[in-house]
Amino acid sequence: EPEVTQTPSHQVTQMGQEVILRCVPISNHLYFYWYRQILGQKVEFLVSFYNNEISEKSEIFDDQFSVERPDGSNFTLKIRSTKLEDSAMYFCASRFYGELFFGEGSRLTVL
Amino acid sequence: KNQVEQSPQSLIILEGKNCTLQCNYTVSPFSNLRWYKQDTGRGPVSLTIMTFSENTKSNGRYTATLDADTKQSSLHITASQLSDSASYICVVSLNNAGNMLTFGGGTRLMVKP
Repeated sequence: EPEVTQTPSHQVTQMGQEVILRCVPISNHLYFYWYRQILGQKVEFLVSFYNNEISEKSEIFDDQFSVERPDGSNFTLKIRSTKLEDSAMYFCASRFYGELFFGEGSRLTVL
Repeated sequence: KNQVEQSPQSLIILEGKNCTLQCNYTVSPFSNLRWYKQDTGRGPVSLTIMTFSENTKSNGRYTATLDADTKQSSLHITASQLSDSASYICVVSLNNAGNMLTFGGGTRLMVKP
């Protein structure tokens, strides 16, 4: 069964460092998303991406964040200068139409 | 403000027993309501999706109900198994897109032998 895959599964970084989280969405999907979940809290929407551009973003998705789809298959989330409060699980999701499929998540720990 | 509230926050039941999880929402306008299962440290997996015109939907031992008038939904799990131990998240959508999902805080279910 097709699935959304994410790498790395866990990354530990120092505050101020740049981090890139990678996602391979399901191949025929058209809409791509990043969500995050701080430990013990609700899942929060970060950004949606369609037709090679950001279609919507939340207040959380400030100038420190960026997304791109560099090669037509990978979908990346970059955090330019990580802060302690960026520590969370980051979930990639994709859909063709209707149901949303989530990846297993990348756990980011900022020290 | 759009909100999704779930109860109870956590629940412990014995294997083989049934349980019902509750979800109340204030999201408006409403497009659909989804229940997801999230194992610890894993991504959410869809169990059911219901539009406002659907009252009930089943997926194996999972049955979701929806009352769009009272803005309440429930997820009933029948004959629980140890593998049902997870967080169950109610998600309400303003539209079909993933950018308009409002997530509840989840109910953490533990099934004990």
